[in-house]
Amino acid sequence: QQQVRQSPQSLTVWEGETAILNCSYENSAFDYFPWYQQFPGEGPALLIAIRSVSDKKEDGGFTIFFNKREKNLSLHIKDSQPGDSATYFCAASEAMGYKLTFGTGTSLLVDP
Amino acid sequence: DMKVTQMPRYLIKRMGENVLLECGQDMSHETMYWYRQDPGLGLQLIYISYDVDSNSEGDIPKGYRVSRKKREHFSLILDSAKTNQTSVYFCASSLYGNYEQYFGPGTRLTVL
Repeated sequence: QQQVRQSPQSLTVWEGETAILNCSYENSAFDYFPWYQQFPGEGPALLIAIRSVSDKKEDGGFTIFFNKREKNLSLHIKDSQPGDSATYFCAASEAMGYKLTFGTGTSLLVDP
Repeated sequence: DMKVTQMPRYLIKRMGENVLLECGQDMSHETMYWYRQDPGLGLQLIYISYDVDSNSEGDIPKGYRVSRKKREHFSLILDSAKTNQTSVYFCASSLYGNYEQYFGPGTRLTVL
């Protein structure tokens, strides 16, 4: 079964809007939650990550909101630009674990 | 310049042929990974290598084997390829104790 779920599958926003991408998980042992950004024809690249001891992480225009009790998190992309159009993967790992479990991704399109 | 390289980038094989996918990294990372990416399924871990000749199965190892004889090089081998192994294959690496994985550009394999 899918241990990390993402929604929506695809999302279109206007330039300047905030895009919100959702992720939920089942394994209570998951401790580290990275978001990867992937452009067509390229490999994924780490965008931002959060540990379960935190409830918020900001980096530039990207913010992760984390709710440990509800086992969900969201990635907010503030002031979205066409260059942010990509597929975003939520992933999770147990503490000190090397194995990342990936969600199925959200394809984001930012319309100019 | 931190980099993960993959060769070839595109490959077409016939069912039953052997396939060799190569991955290299110049960061002296101990840990390396092979994933496959299929539409709607995200990234699935095939094998993980903790160092030279120290390899472990991932979530979907059936039909694949790996070889790591040098720290900077990790190979994925398909003996007698099947049509359902048509996919995009990604190699990644990470430093021991560090969660961040660096991905290569991928190899698109088509098995006819």
